[in-house]
Amino acid sequence: AQSVTQLDSHVSVSEGTPVLLRCNYSSSYSPSLFWYVQHPNKGLQLLLKYTSAATLVKGINGFEAEFKKSETSFHLTKPSAHMSDAAEYFCVVSPLRRSNYQLIWGAGTKLIIKP
Amino acid sequence: DSGVTQTPKHLITATGQRVTLRCSPRSGDLSVYWYQQSLDQGLQFLIQYYNGEERAKGNILERFSAQQFPDLHSELNLSSLELGDSALYFCASSVRDRGSEQYFGPGTRLTVT
Repeated sequence: AQSVTQLDSHVSVSEGTPVLLRCNYSSSYSPSLFWYVQHPNKGLQLLLKYTSAATLVKGINGFEAEFKKSETSFHLTKPSAHMSDAAEYFCVVSPLRRSNYQLIWGAGTKLIIKP
Repeated sequence: DSGVTQTPKHLITATGQRVTLRCSPRSGDLSVYWYQQSLDQGLQFLIQYYNGEERAKGNILERFSAQQFPDLHSELNLSSLELGDSALYFCASSVRDRGSEQYFGPGTRLTVT
């Protein structure tokens, strides 16, 4: 069965320090993978996507993620956190051969930025 | 701005009532998805339509129904509303019926009193 696990429900970093949000997935087939961000009281915005091209994917706002098949991971990183990065981040798997077309959403990681 | 529009932004209604939420997908997108987001249950997939046809059902209650019209806009109908239906309802759209990224609208906040 396909699944996605975000390993931390909350991550707290100081402004200007690196960000690491961890995501592991389980899929029988080669999946598409996404990261979405949701700022407070806002909709969900696509940060980046992996669709079996380059394993290092660059997204918006300085975020990037690396697909590691051997580790079944798709961690999100940013070299230097900004106050505006405070939000909830969702790792999402789209198992291409799944019969019912649903995306599989992680539970989310709340990123807290300390001044 | 994702290009997905939802109306209304806010809706306050009483228990037992019926409401309709509307969504217009991005230009060129054929798939529309509906999600419910509440504090206690997180983001829940409700239903998907592709080019007018139902494609997938998630945790959608029998009191809820949806449709996608020939111009590709979609409506989510919620009836016999209960306090527990209070939530943010998101619409998303994508080009294909699976595998492609989804673009989300700003959501409709429904409050049932």
